[in-house]
Amino acid sequence: AQSVTQPDIHITVSEGASLELRCNYSYGATPYLFWYVQSPGQGLQLLLKYFSGDTLVQGIKGFEAEFKRSQSSFNLRKPSVHWSDAAEYFCAVGVGGMRFGAGTRLTVKP
Amino acid sequence: GAGVSQSPSNKVTEKGKDVELRCDPISGHTALYWYRQSLGQGLEFLIYFQGNSAPDKSGLPSDRFSAERTGGSVSTLTIQRTQQEDSAVYLCASSVTRDREGDEKLFFGSGTQLSVL
Repeated sequence: AQSVTQPDIHITVSEGASLELRCNYSYGATPYLFWYVQSPGQGLQLLLKYFSGDTLVQGIKGFEAEFKRSQSSFNLRKPSVHWSDAAEYFCAVGVGGMRFGAGTRLTVKP
Repeated sequence: GAGVSQSPSNKVTEKGKDVELRCDPISGHTALYWYRQSLGQGLEFLIYFQGNSAPDKSGLPSDRFSAERTGGSVSTLTIQRTQQEDSAVYLCASSVTRDREGDEKLFFGSGTQLSVL
């Protein structure tokens, strides 16, 4: 069965610093991978998704993620974090049913 | 409506009572999911409906939990004999699934905050 792991429960970065949130998946074939963001008091919003093709995908709000089959990873990155990026980030894998990771809470220091 | 609608938005109940949570997916969306998000926790998969196929119930935590989807549209999640540990936000999501190869973007409802006293 597919599963997804987010190793970091909480990450703190300074505003303007770069960000990388880790995501590892378990699935027998190439999965469909997603990153969602949940801001405080808000619903879930899709940042980006990977189905096939170019392994580096661009999303909204300046985020990108890279699919690495050899590492079973789909890490989320942003070159320069803004204070408004503070939120909970969820990685998800979906084939015949979406499964989410436990989430990584991002705190941004001024 | 334009989005996924869930009702009620908040539900307070006493331990041992039954509750029903409702989800109206986006019209035309064939896939419907229920998730649970407890305080400080991630999204816990509960159940997945896809068209006329048998639902994937593998995430339901106990036999007190059940869900149905009538007419391929509205879904109801029922929790019988509620316990305090059932307190959480219950999220419904729907999507358009093109085929068996994968799932498209999920559209989430605002959730139902369930509090069991």
